Amino acid sequence: DAKTTQPPSMDCAEGRAANLPCNHSTISGNEYVYWYRQIHSQGPQYIIHGLKNNETNEMASLIITEDRKSSTLILPHATLRDTAVYYCIGYAGGTSYGKLTFGQGTILTVHP
Amino acid sequence: GAVVSQHPSRVICKSGTSVKIECRSLDFQATTMFWYRQFPKQSLMLMATSNEGSKATYEQGVEKDKFLINHASLTLSTLTVTSAHPEDSSFYICSASRTGGRYEQYFGPGTRLTVT
Repeated sequence: DAKTTQPPSMDCAEGRAANLPCNHSTISGNEYVYWYRQIHSQGPQYIIHGLKNNETNEMASLIITEDRKSSTLILPHATLRDTAVYYCIGYAGGTSYGKLTFGQGTILTVHP
Repeated sequence: GAVVSQHPSRVICKSGTSVKIECRSLDFQATTMFWYRQFPKQSLMLMATSNEGSKATYEQGVEKDKFLINHASLTLSTLTVTSAHPEDSSFYICSASRTGGRYEQYFGPGTRLTVT
């Protein structure tokens, strides 16, 4: 699975958009970009995933560059409850079962 | 939809005893379940993958005789930590997939194990 690089921490003001970057320059053509988040002392929560096209759901938007070397997770109106560790994972799903390899992620702190 | 539960949420046991952790998919059938471990201030590490009705596949360095996994039905997998030691104290998290792990996994809330 593709190795990803994320900034260790970011801050965001409540009500503003949080834009979390992820570099995945070694991603292969069949690897999806998955985003999960983990609030302290809880299990990770699935957010969104994409392959080539931009994706949006009720939680977030995912913008993937055309060359697929990087992506940005956007939380349009961050709240205090969005404070968590956000993980960007390259995942070769779609074939046999795959392994989610969690890196260190980005600690997002949303402040009032 | 896609809710995964774990029981217990917290457990304290004495060294040398065994403890069982249950992972259930509440509203879907999970063909594949995964078990992770997370030490303080570290990321999740995959321990093993279990498919319903077959033996679990363990990651390198994980002792299969110490961490017994049983995936007896499409909604239940159990992890038994045998002869627990203080170094087994950790946060154990399961996840479940309804697509054989090919797409998104849904995680349980985790079980905090403390071995005294």
